[in-house]
Amino acid sequence: GENVEQHPSTLSVQEGDSAVIKCTYSDSASNYFPWYKQELGKGPQLIIDIRSNVGEKKDQRIAVTLNKTAKHFSLHITETQPEDSAVYFCAGKNSGGGADGLTFGKGTHLIIQP
Amino acid sequence: SAVISQKPSRDICQRGTSLTIQCQVDSQVTMMFWYRQQPGQSLTLIATANQGSEATYESGFVIDKFPISRPNLTFSTLTVSNMSPEDSSIYLCSVVIVVNEQFFGPGTRLTVL
Repeated sequence: GENVEQHPSTLSVQEGDSAVIKCTYSDSASNYFPWYKQELGKGPQLIIDIRSNVGEKKDQRIAVTLNKTAKHFSLHITETQPEDSAVYFCAGKNSGGGADGLTFGKGTHLIIQP
Repeated sequence: SAVISQKPSRDICQRGTSLTIQCQVDSQVTMMFWYRQQPGQSLTLIATANQGSEATYESGFVIDKFPISRPNLTFSTLTVSNMSPEDSSIYLCSVVIVVNEQFFGPGTRLTVL
């Protein structure tokens, strides 16, 4: 099955700087990679995703890049703000594998320092 | 997206008892899942809730411990049976609205004493 590794486990950046979180996956057949943001006491919120037929996707201050050859994908947050502080999870899925759920990384605790 | 609600939002239970968690969606969805998030950990898929048939469980999870119902396309329940302190977790349901995109409910925070 799929195995997703995520790092770093904790990331502290100054407000206004950029943050990058990286994930690797093991199943070369995986073709869908979402990112979730989880604030304390809440369920995970889907913030951006990427499918294997593209290499990059942007949505305002958030971007995701995918390298299929190396089997890794990254989340980039620019101009970080205090409200970006949260735990971020990457995940992977093989859409051709039937009605399967997501395999999650262990999460990154992002801390935005004022 | 969709509005997903879970009941209860939290509970404290005694070991040996069972708790049933409800997940309600405001629109019909084809796919629903149940996940567990142990304290300070990531999410682990428990099972896929299949409408009108038995749930599909992941390795390490069994129907006797986590029976699941899915009577229609907007509702599902997960029961945590014969609970022990190791079952203390957040239990989350998720639904697929657009192809692949999963949206999560707010979670049920369970503490077993």
